[in-house]
Amino acid sequence: QVQLVESGGGVVQPGGSLRLPCETSGFTFSSYGMHWVRQAPGKGLEWVAFIHYDGSSKYYADSVKGRFTISRDNSKNTLYVQINSLRAEDTAVYYCAKEGSGRSFDQWGQGTLVTVSS
Amino acid sequence: EIVMTQSPATLSVSPGERATLSCRASQSVSSNLAWYQQKSGQAPRLLIYGASARATGIAARFSGGGFGTEFTLTISSLQSEDFAVYYCQQYERWPLTFGGGTKVEIK
Repeated sequence: QVQLVESGGGVVQPGGSLRLPCETSGFTFSSYGMHWVRQAPGKGLEWVAFIHYDGSSKYYADSVKGRFTISRDNSKNTLYVQINSLRAEDTAVYYCAKEGSGRSFDQWGQGTLVTVSS
Repeated sequence: EIVMTQSPATLSVSPGERATLSCRASQSVSSNLAWYQQKSGQAPRLLIYGASARATGIAARFSGGGFGTEFTLTISSLQSEDFAVYYCQQYERWPLTFGGGTKVEIK
């Protein structure tokens, strides 16, 4: 079955950096676009970033543009997001999601919590 | 950016009753709209895509409708496992955006 497993979350100081991997299995990773979506504690969902199946195009939410970098390694079936210059408002559970029909998200990981605090 | 507005914020419904959730887009998204269910402490789950197509494994009591700027998610007869938060999401254009969610609670 399809599995997406995020890791790498934790407590980070403001201004710090973090890289979150999302390991996948159960589908042909190299054939699908992938996304990061986050959810601040007690809040709604916020789309963060997208990468095309072959890495040829990327899109970002304005709130993270210039600080977040999405990437993928199709040989390892793994998606990444590099998060720099962390701010308190980046505190959230970060989910990776597989693209389904259109740009819907048909499979989600369990999420990893990033807390930005001094 | 396309702003998605969901109403109501909270919907109190008795088990077995029908629930209708609304989602409005600030500009047309055609049928490029999805609905998700999220239970407490869990990741979201895709229910509906293309405004009206049920995702794999989703019960027939869930149905979606609408086009352009007005959309609905209907749960025909609420089961205990349906009490959750529901989000709509547009994928007509970047950035992808979600509505603020509707919490369906037990009346």
